Amino acid sequence: DSGVTQTPKHLITATGQRVTLRCSPRSGDLSVYWYQQSLDQGLQFLIQYYNGEERAKGNILERFSAQQFPDLHSELNLSSLELGDSALYFCASSSRDNSYEQYFGPGTRLTVT
Amino acid sequence: QQPVQSPQAVILREGEDAVINCSSSKALYSVHWYRQKHGEAPVFLMILLKGGEQKGHEKISASFNEKKQQSSLYLTASQLSYSGTYFCGTESDDKIIFGKGTRLHILP
Repeated sequence: DSGVTQTPKHLITATGQRVTLRCSPRSGDLSVYWYQQSLDQGLQFLIQYYNGEERAKGNILERFSAQQFPDLHSELNLSSLELGDSALYFCASSSRDNSYEQYFGPGTRLTVT
Repeated sequence: QQPVQSPQAVILREGEDAVINCSSSKALYSVHWYRQKHGEAPVFLMILLKGGEQKGHEKISASFNEKKQQSSLYLTASQLSYSGTYFCGTESDDKIIFGKGTRLHILP
């Protein structure tokens, strides 16, 4: 158990809908990262937050947005969902910045039908 | 720019050695290595920082050639538990970008 929690574990929704994925980092960790993992695509970095502020952006679509709240939990919002958004979404946290190991949550499996 | 990992897949017998390579076209500040078993989340193995510092939790060794923007992960005397997909993540421009992974399968 990494100490990072993600909810929900599974999500099935229809195209065009909007969903919110939630992540609680390890106690004391300030950085939260979001990744998308599709078959054969590895881990695609989406976005990083550090202590409530956006720190770095990867290949995040404009339909996706995220935020980190004062209690350091983070939410990833996915809107106007398409079939291609079906994937495993991981959240990871680290104590400070990119020089520290990331601890991954169990992931949320999103299926868009 | 996504780093390139090689090989894409490896099959070994228990006790054999393996090397997984990771290369980038950008100047790197650090290289991260993670292992992911099927159906599980990635687990941290090692970070190699520019300047030579290394951080790791397991008895796995790695190298980082800053000039060539390359890193290699060395798995010696492999065990069945080493099976999984290995990802390298390269840090540049304040972002960590992961490669597509190397699948490692250990046979008894």
